[in-house]
Amino acid sequence: GDSVTQMEGPVTLSEEAFLTINCTYTATGYPSLFWYVQYPGEGLQLLLKATKADDKGSNKGFEATYRKETTSFHLEKGSVQVSDSAVYFCALLGGYQKVTFGIGTKLQVIP
Amino acid sequence: EAGVVQSPRYKIIEKKQPVAFWCNPISGHNTLYWYLQNLGQGPELLIRYENEEAVDDSQLPKDRFSAERLKGVDSTLKIQPAELGDSAVYLCASSLGYRDHEQYFGPGTRLTVT
Repeated sequence: GDSVTQMEGPVTLSEEAFLTINCTYTATGYPSLFWYVQYPGEGLQLLLKATKADDKGSNKGFEATYRKETTSFHLEKGSVQVSDSAVYFCALLGGYQKVTFGIGTKLQVIP
Repeated sequence: EAGVVQSPRYKIIEKKQPVAFWCNPISGHNTLYWYLQNLGQGPELLIRYENEEAVDDSQLPKDRFSAERLKGVDSTLKIQPAELGDSAVYLCASSLGYRDHEQYFGPGTRLTVT
């Protein structure tokens, strides 16, 4: 079946540091890929998405590129802020329209 | 526009008791999902509705869990009887349709079974 593997946290960074959260996937066919973010006390919300190979999703300074050859969708941001502290989930939409989530990576940004 | 509404936000019950969770999706969203999220894990799909039809309930433990979506709008998820291992966050999400890529999540109901 489909699966998503993302780096375990927590990840602690200083403000303005570069962020990378790794995500790799296993799926049949051509899944769509997503990053969701969950801020403290809130529900998950879509951060960005990519629906085909080589697509780049971007939002709020975050970027991720759909790499079919490496089955990866790593999340990056050039300069993180304290307000980016949250849990980030990599996910894919595969066969039968089912979304599979990774375990989530907690990011803590310190001033 | 109101988001996905869930109630209650928190629930503490003793094992073997019944419990029910309620979800009101975003207006106009035909697809509704219930997810289970254990601590330190990602959400796992329990059931997906297209309007009032449950089209994917393969991961729903049917011996104790049940769900309904009357009139294709609100939905209720029930556990009877609850077990200690059911302690988790229960998330509801909705989308315009099953082909829609964006799911909108509610804040979840945190269930503690003692």
